[in-house]
Amino acid sequence: NAGVTQTPKFQVLKTGQSMTLQCAQDMNHNSMYWYRQDPGMGLRLIYYSASEGTTDKGEVPNGYNVSRLNKREFSLRLESAAPSQTSVYFCASSETSVGETQYFGPGTRLLVL
Amino acid sequence: QKEVEQNSGPLSVPEGAIASLNCTYSDRGSQSFFWYRQYSGKSPELIMFIYSNGDKEDGRFTAQLNKASQYVSLLIRDSQPSDSATYLCAAPSGGSYIPTFGRGTSLIVHP
Repeated sequence: NAGVTQTPKFQVLKTGQSMTLQCAQDMNHNSMYWYRQDPGMGLRLIYYSASEGTTDKGEVPNGYNVSRLNKREFSLRLESAAPSQTSVYFCASSETSVGETQYFGPGTRLLVL
Repeated sequence: QKEVEQNSGPLSVPEGAIASLNCTYSDRGSQSFFWYRQYSGKSPELIMFIYSNGDKEDGRFTAQLNKASQYVSLLIRDSQPSDSATYLCAAPSGGSYIPTFGRGTSLIVHP
């Protein structure tokens, strides 16, 4: 039982490049989330998926897209990376989206030059 | 103004003391409150979860809710150097059922 896994662990991009961050959970959770964490800013919600087949914007969605591929997998795509997207990205999951504990993956450190 | 506020710290306490961490929230309708611990370079992990109907104790950790003043506290008794981490408070806010996170409070427990 691996919990929430994320790939890659670390990535360096040049401005304008694209990439997809992968996330998978094996806890049969319905809801999944993508956060970014910047120094002094705490965790900010980018997108979430309350259940398979649905996605919604969070606090900071601009410059990102998501896909809920199936119940296990939720990917985050940067179409044209910008230096402002340099951050640590965490994927999380919860049994449902209503007041439930979230379980976090190990994070992806992204540097955009 | 963020909907969940925390003092960024650092809060420094000696080993064996009680560490008291506070978090204020703006949504009076919030029903559930979470405390996560995050070690440097690691992901957040849940340490306490309380509903609006009462306080909760779990080992050395106690979470207390003051609904009138809209703040939730985390008390860590007999603090250990291994408790040194950033503590994140989270609560649903702004009509959303998804918790909003505070910026976190850095706790340092020195021997």
